[in-house]
Amino acid sequence: DAMVIQNPRYQVTQFGKPVTLSCSQTLNHNVMYWYQQKSSQAPKLLFHYYDKDFNNEADTPDNFQSRRPNTSFCFLDIRSPGLGDAAMYLCATSRGPPRTSGRVNEQFFGPGTRLTVL
Amino acid sequence: KQEVTQIPAALSVPEGENLVLNCSFTDSAIYNLQWFRQDPGKGLTSLLLIQSSQREQTSGRLNASLDKSSGRSTLYIAASQPGDSATYLCALLGGSQGNLIFGKGTKLSVKP
Repeated sequence: DAMVIQNPRYQVTQFGKPVTLSCSQTLNHNVMYWYQQKSSQAPKLLFHYYDKDFNNEADTPDNFQSRRPNTSFCFLDIRSPGLGDAAMYLCATSRGPPRTSGRVNEQFFGPGTRLTVL
Repeated sequence: KQEVTQIPAALSVPEGENLVLNCSFTDSAIYNLQWFRQDPGKGLTSLLLIQSSQREQTSGRLNASLDKSSGRSTLYIAASQPGDSATYLCALLGGSQGNLIFGKGTKLSVKP
């Protein structure tokens, strides 16, 4: 089945120790997104790639970076995790392009990675 | 700036009831509206997508409506089952920002 896969499902890191979260997709979608969801809150978009075009949200901290080496994979790097970065990180994909109506922009989510910062 | 509100924040119903979840938004310039389901500690499952030109979509026991003029969407669940227990999130693909803006969700509990 075509899907969005996130690894690992649970990640524990120490305060200040860099961590990388992984997302892969078999849907061959052009757009990949990273969201942060804290407990009992709505998911918040951090950034997205449309093909190789990177789009950062204005309020995403510099501590968060992303890489998309190919169509299938996208990585979230947290350079110096703080206690406030503990959250569920959700990866999503859509065919795109963004800012258009229709099923091309239906977003499909992975199972998420829960990050704990000690 | 688009704001999305979901009321109620939590809802508990007995099995078999029909129920309605509400979503309101402030900017009617939207491309799509998507309803998601989220089980505890899990990712989001897309339930229904309504395009800006549409008024409703149906899938099985679920029916979602969209009224852009009033800034409202509803998700109707017929004959609720305990397996429907989850958090339901409404999200809009907005015109100005071009990304999904989520409500905080309604946590549904269906009692056997």
